[in-house]
Amino acid sequence: GESVGLHLPTLSVQEGDNSIINCAYSNSASDYFIWYKQESGKGPQFIIDIRSNMDKRQGQRVTVLLNKTVKHLSLQIAATQPGDSAVYFCAERTNSGGYQKVTFGIGTKLQVIP
Amino acid sequence: DAGVTQSPTHLIKTRGQQVTLRCSPKSGHDTVSWYQQALGQGPQFIFQYYEEEERQRGNFPDRFSGHQFPNYSSELNVNALLLGDSALYLCASSFRPDYQETQYFGPGTRLLVL
Repeated sequence: GESVGLHLPTLSVQEGDNSIINCAYSNSASDYFIWYKQESGKGPQFIIDIRSNMDKRQGQRVTVLLNKTVKHLSLQIAATQPGDSAVYFCAERTNSGGYQKVTFGIGTKLQVIP
Repeated sequence: DAGVTQSPTHLIKTRGQQVTLRCSPKSGHDTVSWYQQALGQGPQFIFQYYEEEERQRGNFPDRFSGHQFPNYSSELNVNALLLGDSALYLCASSFRPDYQETQYFGPGTRLLVL
């Protein structure tokens, strides 16, 4: 299974530094990938997405890199701020019988040190 | 423009009881997916509704059932509650299950089974 129970991988970063959160996905047929941010007590919030025909996409302070060869995704956050502290999930989407199915990966907890 | 809304926000039930959770999708969305998120884990897909029918289902027992109404809102029903059903239940909406657009999540309903 994909769960690590209560012991989420944790990344501690100094405020102002860049953060890199990594994710391995499982299905080579996945055509679309999404990063979500989840703050305590809230639902996941969309950050950025990337299609499988791309290897890089940039947003505001965030960049997603996709390496299909090794089935790896990364999320880079520039100039990390205290408000970036949250759990980050990658998700892969596959087409199943004409319907999209989204599967979440193991989350990473980002702690920003002021 | 309201986003995805869910009710209630919190709920406490005892083992063996039944529960109904409600979700209203984001304006313009017609597809609703439900997820279960146990503490410290990523969301797990339960099922998806489109055109008032269940279109896809994850690995959840028949105790989990749902409904979608003509106005696209949806309910999740769980019968014969178990302690292990304690989790955050998330609703996500999107436009068409086969459309190339990400889904947006509601804040969730926190269910505690005693």
